[in-house]
Amino acid sequence: AQTVTQSQPEMSVQEAETVTLSCTYDTSESDYYLFWYKQPPSRQMILVIRQEAYKQQNATENRFSVNFQKAAKSFSLKISDSQLGDAAMYFCAYRRVGQGAQKLVFGQGTRLTINP
Amino acid sequence: DGGITQSPKYLFRKEGQNVTLSCEQNLNHDAMYWYRQDPGQGLRLIYYSQIVNDFQKGDIAEGYSVSREKKESFPLTVTSAQKNPTAFYLCASSPGRRSQVDLRGEKLFFGSGTQLSVL
Repeated sequence: AQTVTQSQPEMSVQEAETVTLSCTYDTSESDYYLFWYKQPPSRQMILVIRQEAYKQQNATENRFSVNFQKAAKSFSLKISDSQLGDAAMYFCAYRRVGQGAQKLVFGQGTRLTINP
Repeated sequence: DGGITQSPKYLFRKEGQNVTLSCEQNLNHDAMYWYRQDPGQGLRLIYYSQIVNDFQKGDIAEGYSVSREKKESFPLTVTSAQKNPTAFYLCASSPGRRSQVDLRGEKLFFGSGTQLSVL
């Protein structure tokens, strides 16, 4: 079974600085999708960024980018120019392709605090 | 506005009581999901449905039941058999299958959740 591990329960960063959140996963498959979701205090889950495993190019969405290392099974999220609104729980998630693709497997989450 | 509506926002259950959490979407999505979130943990899949009148168990289905009689609605019942029901419950939807197209990379749309507590 696939597992997703986020080893940093909490992180903090100064406003306008850059922070990187770590995520590792375990799978024997070669084709899959990886996601970062944000959960602000409202508790609604918001998709931040998505990476396709068969694409070598790292995904980027404005201030958010990933460092996808397929061989190392690592998928970190970099937030540049951190803003107060970035404060939230961040979850890394894995989704396989094909049978069982309906299920997202989530990590335990990292709580990000932005210091003004 | 299109989206997913969960109700109620807060729900309290007495011992031995069944309670039902509502989830409605007007996004015309085929697939719907129920996740459970415990403090300090990620989300775990309870049930999912890819089409009306069909649903499958997720990783933690014991003590829960669902129905999918309408495309827009996917209610979750927490039965008395669920001994530790206190958690935050999130409903989600996605466009789902189009013929035999794989679900690759589909974005999940989430509701705002229901916090269930035991009295």
